[in-house]
Amino acid sequence: QKEVEQDPGPLSVPEGAIVSLNCTYSNSAFQYFMWYRQYSRKGPELLMYTYSSGNKEDGRFTAQVDKSSKYISLFIRDSQPSDSATYLCAMSIGGGADGLTFGKGTHLIIQP
Amino acid sequence: DAGVTQSPTHLIKTRGQQVTLRCSPKSGHDTVSWYQQALGQGPQFIFQYYEEEERQRGNFPDRFSGHQYPNYSSELNVNALLLGDSALYLCASSRAPGGGYEQYFGPGTRLTVT
Repeated sequence: QKEVEQDPGPLSVPEGAIVSLNCTYSNSAFQYFMWYRQYSRKGPELLMYTYSSGNKEDGRFTAQVDKSSKYISLFIRDSQPSDSATYLCAMSIGGGADGLTFGKGTHLIIQP
Repeated sequence: DAGVTQSPTHLIKTRGQQVTLRCSPKSGHDTVSWYQQALGQGPQFIFQYYEEEERQRGNFPDRFSGHQYPNYSSELNVNALLLGDSALYLCASSRAPGGGYEQYFGPGTRLTVT
């Protein structure tokens, strides 16, 4: 079993829909949780960064962490075609002072 | 404010050769981490440099080595290249603990080994 599991998709939804992306993990020592967006052949772009359990909202994006279930989610509201990309979840024990462990990434397609 | 920069953009090498990739961190950052991303996979952590020393390493052989300079820029060296080393190599920078924890990535160097 991999440390971080993420459904690779593709996930295809119509424009304007709410998108839900998820990851599960096995290492209970993870304390910092991130979501990155990666366009084809580009570097990952940091979207959301959370510490421990709880919710964090930034514009159309909401990140949720449930440490008791070892489950994290990213919600995208009012999805746009420009949101089409691969979304990577990542986590670490010590934040930026630590190597990140990534999921495989979910390929998201927003249909106009 | 310049972000993380990497050079070169693309590189083609032959099996058995050696390669050096370069990274300049985001302004104000002093910690550099390197990752390998194979096609269709998430990035895998290679190692992290802080204060010119390797302070954490992932599950990579010692063919992979690095260096950090006093200006915080960093190099990744790979010796005795294998076909399986073909990947996108990503550099990420962050501040040392106490100054923020996010890692910001550069655009990557795409290495092809033939």
